[in-house]
Amino acid sequence: SQKIEQNSEALNIQEGKTATLTCNYTNYSPAYLQWYRQDPGRGPVFLLLIRENEKEKRKERLKVTFDTTLKQSLFHITASQPADSATYLCALEDSNYQLIWGAGTKLIIKP
Amino acid sequence: GAVVSQHPSWVICKSGTSVKIECRSLDFQATTMFWYRQFPKQSLMLMATSNEGSKATYEQGVEKDKFLINHASLTLSTLTVTSAHPEDSSFYICSASFGASSRGTQYFGPGTRLLVL
Repeated sequence: SQKIEQNSEALNIQEGKTATLTCNYTNYSPAYLQWYRQDPGRGPVFLLLIRENEKEKRKERLKVTFDTTLKQSLFHITASQPADSATYLCALEDSNYQLIWGAGTKLIIKP
Repeated sequence: GAVVSQHPSWVICKSGTSVKIECRSLDFQATTMFWYRQFPKQSLMLMATSNEGSKATYEQGVEKDKFLINHASLTLSTLTVTSAHPEDSSFYICSASFGASSRGTQYFGPGTRLLVL
């Protein structure tokens, strides 16, 4: 069956360190993968999109990698700040061009 | 740019009543709008996809007669929860995209929390 998995346990990181979140998928061959941020009681906000032919994408303190062999994307936040605390969702496109969503990983940055 | 609004942000209603939620793209024309529901600590669940001027496409298991979707213009889609029951209590989020399908980035509204008593 097709699955997209994110670590369901909250990730606690000390301020200033790099936070790394994982998104694994099975039985998909997505053309691209996206990462979103969701704050409590709010809709998701788009962060980054990475295509299957891109190994890495950066935006300010954010970096996303995409390994189609491992079927995994990693999302990094460098020099993390308490304001980065949120739930981060990954989403990929299936063969019907629909976005399939992971359940998200809650990130907590401690001062 | 690409701002999506939803109204209301919060609604409490009695069981059996109908509730309408509006989703507007404020600064762009949204060819496609999506409606999701999200339960606490769970993933976004796509309910339906609507393209302006045509009938919405509902996901399996979503009752089209219960969740009425109207996409009357390129900037407005509405979701009406008819005869709401407590199990319909959830967080409803709309999103919009420029494309004709769910390809590409989706821009989300702030969500509507529905509580049915």
